[in-house]
Amino acid sequence: DTAVSQTPKYLVTQMGNDKSIKCEQNLGHDTMYWYKQDSKKFLKIMFSYNNKELIINETVPNRFSPKSPDKAHLNLHINSLELGDSAVYFCASSHPVSGGRLAKNIQYFGAGTRLSVL
Amino acid sequence: GQQLNQSPQSMFIQEGEDVSMNCTSSSIFNTWLWYKQDPGEGPVLLIALYKAGELTSNGRLTAQFGITRKDSFLNISASIPSDVGIYFCAGQPPGSNYQLIWGAGTKLIIKP
Repeated sequence: DTAVSQTPKYLVTQMGNDKSIKCEQNLGHDTMYWYKQDSKKFLKIMFSYNNKELIINETVPNRFSPKSPDKAHLNLHINSLELGDSAVYFCASSHPVSGGRLAKNIQYFGAGTRLSVL
Repeated sequence: GQQLNQSPQSMFIQEGEDVSMNCTSSSIFNTWLWYKQDPGEGPVLLIALYKAGELTSNGRLTAQFGITRKDSFLNISASIPSDVGIYFCAGQPPGSNYQLIWGAGTKLIIKP
């Protein structure tokens, strides 16, 4: 009954390859995110989608392309993988409460995808 | 991008000791969140704070939303081995429904 699930958990590939990571949430949330966690464990936001619409797009190489077929799914496709892409990638989702109340952006995370580029 | 100042970076403690860590910012936040990340897992929410001055507990964990809205602390009392991990603070800026600003994490290690 995993709330935010990512596949695969581990991904080992060669430089120059293209790969995809999938994310699905069953929490009924409207908003999904991709984060990159480097070896120093810092969490860096990459993208965010709200109801299939891109709302956050940080400075990320255009080799990274998110795709949201519906609000429960946010996939990440990476072209021409480089050594520096090796990291743990986390998917998260949230349902900010608004409409007259302070929006509370509680984000729920998947278990991560460990990408190693050789 | 913007980052919160989280300290300490790491802590070596004896089992049974109390632990304290904090986050500060030059900007105000509407919400402060504390997460814990176990090895091989994603961050999990521990405590959420919504109001300046708010003090909230979750078992042995206590967190406070600073009165200036620019800082927060997390205390763990009587630490146990399963407390090891990385603790992250995150703040939600005013006017942003979707953005969180993250600290760099505090790694908690329990001395054998």
